[in-house]
Amino acid sequence: AQTVTQSQPEMSVQEAETVTLSCTYDTSESDYYLFWYKQPPSRQMILVIRQEAYKQQNATENRFSVNFQKAAKSFSLKISDSQLGDAAMYFCAYKLMTGNQFYFGTGTSLTVIP
Amino acid sequence: GAVVSQHPSWVICKSGTSVKIECRSLDFQATTMFWYRQFPKQSLMLMATSNEGSKATYEQGVEKDKFLINHASLTLSTLTVTSAHPEDSSFYICSAPRPTATGELFFGEGSRLTVL
Repeated sequence: AQTVTQSQPEMSVQEAETVTLSCTYDTSESDYYLFWYKQPPSRQMILVIRQEAYKQQNATENRFSVNFQKAAKSFSLKISDSQLGDAAMYFCAYKLMTGNQFYFGTGTSLTVIP
Repeated sequence: GAVVSQHPSWVICKSGTSVKIECRSLDFQATTMFWYRQFPKQSLMLMATSNEGSKATYEQGVEKDKFLINHASLTLSTLTVTSAHPEDSSFYICSAPRPTATGELFFGEGSRLTVL
């Protein structure tokens, strides 16, 4: 069974600083995708970044980057130069390469302190 | 980019009435859509998978007669909460996978249902 674990229910970061949100997952598969989604107070989920498991290079999207450790089944999200607009709930998600089933973590609530 | 639109964003109804929530994929076809329920400060709970032209697949513990799902076209799925009761009050979210290799989900804005 696929499970996704986010061990940090809440995190806070000072504006302009860097924060890392952790995510681990459990799978016996070798081919899959990993995602980070952001859910701001407006409640609409937004895709932040994606990573294909077959790629060794860590994905980056502007101030967002991941540290993907396949052997450790770890997929952390680093937010650099944190902004007030980054305050949100962040969900880590896993998806097999085949099919449409997504598995979400329990989320990490990020507070950005001005 | 791909967009999924959900309507209404909030609805208040009396106990015993039915409420319909629409989910539309605006710029891509979606043979599959997902319906989630989210409680405050919690993760998404998958309720059912909506399949275009066929019956929805419900997760264990979700009453299919209470939560009617119809996916009549490649761009529209609807969730009808029948005979709503206060315990059905929640935030309902739909999503559709983008028709690409990664198939990332695009989410609707969500619908806040309050049953009085």
